[in-house]
Amino acid sequence: QLQLQESGPGLVKPSETLSLMCTVSGGSISGTTYYWAWIRQPPGKGLEWIGSIYYRGSTDYNPSLKSRVTISIDTSKNQFSLKVSSVTAADTAVYHCARRAYSGSYYWFDYWGQGTLVTVSS
Amino acid sequence: DIQMTQSPSSLSASVGDRVIITCRSSQSISTYLNWYQQKPGKAPNLLIYAASSLQSGVPSRFSGSGSGTDFTLTITSLQPEDFATYSCQQSNSSPYTFGQGTKLEIK
Repeated sequence: QLQLQESGPGLVKPSETLSLMCTVSGGSISGTTYYWAWIRQPPGKGLEWIGSIYYRGSTDYNPSLKSRVTISIDTSKNQFSLKVSSVTAADTAVYHCARRAYSGSYYWFDYWGQGTLVTVSS
Repeated sequence: DIQMTQSPSSLSASVGDRVIITCRSSQSISTYLNWYQQKPGKAPNLLIYAASSLQSGVPSRFSGSGSGTDFTLTITSLQPEDFATYSCQQSNSSPYTFGQGTKLEIK
C-alpha cells in the first residue's frame, strides 16, 4: 500500500521560506505514469493545488504561486519537496503531498498524505 | 482559472438517507471531474474520477454523474462513516481547482 508522509517545521516566520518534505513508501517515486503534487488547505477554505513534479524533474505550478514556489524530487531517497518563499499569514494552511495518476488525458489525485499544518507567525 | 462551485455548503442527513451534492464549473470541463472525501486529520480519499468512474475499493453506494458544467455526487443509503466533507476537483486544465467543499453532518 502506497503511503505518503509530510514532514517539516510547523511554524515559519513571515518573509522566510517554508520547506516541506514528502516521503513516499510502499512504491517507487519513479513510476512513469505518475506525477507528485503538493496541495494545501487554508483554515476554513477549500483545497488549493500548488504544483506537481514528474520523476524526471519537469514541473507544473499554479500561476498564483509560481513566483514563490519550487518543487524538487530525489528519486534515490523516494522523496520530493516543497519550498515557498517570502511567506505571509495567507500561506498558513495544512499542506498535503499527493500522487497524481493519469489515464489518457484524465488526471486525479489517488494517494494523499494526511497533511501537516504550517503556521506563518512571528 | 476554472472556478468550481459546490452546493450546498453544508448538509444534514440521517443514516440510510440518499444524498446528492452538486458541483458546477465556470466553463465546460467535459467529464474531467473528480470527487474526494475528507475527514478531519485524515488524508483525503478519492471516490470518483472522470465524473463517473468509481475508484477501486470505494463502496458502490457512491456514484457520480454529469458532463460539461454540472456534476453530481450521489450517496445512497448513508452510513455512519460517510459523514465527512466532500470536494470536487477539475482536471480539464491547469491550475487544477477544487470546490469549496460540502460538509455532510448527522441530523
